[in-house]
Amino acid sequence: EAGVAQSPRYKIIEKRQSVAFWCNPISGHATLYWYQQILGQGPKLLIQFQNNGVVDDSQLPKDRFSAERLKGVDSTLKIQPAKLEDSAVYLCASSFRLTSGRETQYFGPGTRLLVL
Amino acid sequence: AQSVTQLDSQVPVFEEAPVELRCNYSSSVSVYLFWYVQYPNQGLQLLLKYLSGSTLVKGINGFEAEFNKSQTSFHLRKPSVHISDTAEYFCAVRENYGQNFVFGPGTRLSVLP
Repeated sequence: EAGVAQSPRYKIIEKRQSVAFWCNPISGHATLYWYQQILGQGPKLLIQFQNNGVVDDSQLPKDRFSAERLKGVDSTLKIQPAKLEDSAVYLCASSFRLTSGRETQYFGPGTRLLVL
Repeated sequence: AQSVTQLDSQVPVFEEAPVELRCNYSSSVSVYLFWYVQYPNQGLQLLLKYLSGSTLVKGINGFEAEFNKSQTSFHLRKPSVHISDTAEYFCAVRENYGQNFVFGPGTRLSVLP
């Protein structure tokens, strides 16, 4: 079974530029998560999708971050414009379905973003 | 809302020695508890999880954890560590019927030869 795929693995941009990250979850997984992991910290949830609908985006900085999962499969996370404090690893995870919280999340390798 | 504390940011230990990584949580409802490991430049991998039943949970790579409801703890243990266990370890909590995972800040385990 293929795991969660993410691209690119690394990205370096200048502040005020735009950047997009792509995630393809495990086949059949209805729930998809985007996390931001700043160096030395645990992952912080940015947005959660159930199929193509948003379940939770309360911690997404909506003035600059956006995410979509149009067909309920792969997803794109965009930052526009980027700030220095956006430097982090962006992790995508998926789980089979959203039930009572028992579901295991499977993580991709992450995209490491450096904003100069 | 739930929260997770990992008091030890770094734990150095010699190879073949035992190790315990501490995790405490706070929540007003029952929770599910998880330990993840993150190797350098990789994503998170599930080590073990507590959902219900026996409070002693065994995971991969010889790790185990014990859920203590009265102390709101879920400490991770391994009786004998290897160099390959060097990694970052994250404790996470999810409320029963909740949707959000909350991760602790992580503990960096360094196994020394």
